[in-house]
Amino acid sequence: GAGVSQSPSNKVTEKGKDVELRCDPISGHTALYWYRQSLGQGLEFLIYFQGNSAPDKSGLPSDRFSAERTGGSVSTLTIQRTQQEDSAVYLCASSLGTGSHTDTQYFGPGTRLTVL
Amino acid sequence: AQSVTQLDSQVPVFEEAPVELRCNYSSSVSVYLFWYVQYPNQGLQLLLKYLSGSTLVKGINGFEAEFNKSQTSFHLRKPSVHISDTAEYFCAALRGGGADGLTFGKGTHLIIQP
Repeated sequence: GAGVSQSPSNKVTEKGKDVELRCDPISGHTALYWYRQSLGQGLEFLIYFQGNSAPDKSGLPSDRFSAERTGGSVSTLTIQRTQQEDSAVYLCASSLGTGSHTDTQYFGPGTRLTVL
Repeated sequence: AQSVTQLDSQVPVFEEAPVELRCNYSSSVSVYLFWYVQYPNQGLQLLLKYLSGSTLVKGINGFEAEFNKSQTSFHLRKPSVHISDTAEYFCAALRGGGADGLTFGKGTHLIIQP
């Protein structure tokens, strides 16, 4: 079966533009996570979805960042008015979402965002 | 204080030698602990996880880790490494307070020398 997929794989944008990153979780996985991987900060948790709701948005770095999930499947992470410090690899992960926080998270290949 | 600490940013090892990658965690995270591997140009892959029970956890590719509560450690070991083990290794823990999502260490780059 297919794993977690993310698109685009690479995105180059100009400072101040908005970008949208997409994540397709593994079929049947109800839990979905976004992380950011950057040289300076390492891997950081951004947001978690259970179904379509996001009970934990505590990791979003600013109000320029938002995420949604529709139909309990695809999720989009939107960054408005991008800044150079937003340059990073954005990773998506999904898990079964059985209610146990210990379900294995399966990661996608990531979207590399470069803000010029 | 950092909640998951990987003290070694790089570990060079000769092929077929044993290796240990160190990980320590703080009380701010849960004791649900994970090791992930990231091969060059690939996504993160779970090596093993500790949830409860036996403190020695065996994972894929011959890796194992030992949970040590008194030393707040979860070190990763392999008795004999191969060139194909060259990768970035991340220790992680579920965030504390019942929150979802993982908190990661900074990663250790394992370099296998022929």
